Amino acid sequence: AQKITQTQPGMFVQEKEAVTLDCTYDTSDPSYGLFWYKQPSSGEMIFLIYQGSYDQQNATEGRYSLNFQKARKSANLVISASQLGDSAMYFCAMREGRAGAQKLVFGQGTRLTINP
Amino acid sequence: DAGVIQSPRHEVTEMGQEVTLRCKPISGHDYLFWYRQTMMRGLELLIYFNNNVPIDDSGMPEDRFSAKMPNASFSTLKIQPSEPRDSAVYFCASSFSLQGSTDTQYFGPGTRLTVL
Repeated sequence: AQKITQTQPGMFVQEKEAVTLDCTYDTSDPSYGLFWYKQPSSGEMIFLIYQGSYDQQNATEGRYSLNFQKARKSANLVISASQLGDSAMYFCAMREGRAGAQKLVFGQGTRLTINP
Repeated sequence: DAGVIQSPRHEVTEMGQEVTLRCKPISGHDYLFWYRQTMMRGLELLIYFNNNVPIDDSGMPEDRFSAKMPNASFSTLKIQPSEPRDSAVYFCASSFSLQGSTDTQYFGPGTRLTVL
């Protein structure tokens, strides 16, 4: 079974609109962490945002926020006021176990294209 | 601060040749990871080290692959002999395992390997 599922292979959004990238996960461990990374066409992997399973509030980092719905096992990334530079692949990843367990499992990614 | 450094950035070699990829983690990080990214298989963890000791090499595809970490600031991933199916982007990442931290992994720019 897939540990991390990203159901949107590609998304097209108009500049300045908000966009939600879906991520669902599967784990029976009560302690886990969820990460989002951005991979632009240049190829590097850029860390965006982190959510711990015990965090009471949704994580936010600038224009990025994580819509964490624990009961549904979803951790969707929300990008507000999208910009042309947001066009990239976006990967959701999960660490099972408490911080320090280290091993990440990645989803297949969503390719986001921002149209002017 | 410098991020994760990888060399070379691009490598083109012929089947049967030995390939060595190099990585310098972020200073102070105690975990180092090697990943491989292909279109077909996505991002896969090959091996990771903690304090220079290999912890999990279950992702290493076969005996042709080997990785070492002789000290805290240097690691190599070697493929001998290389095959066309090894063509991929190889990422190195590092993280810090301080208790209570998020153990976010920070990625290097990657090495794009082409085996002809």
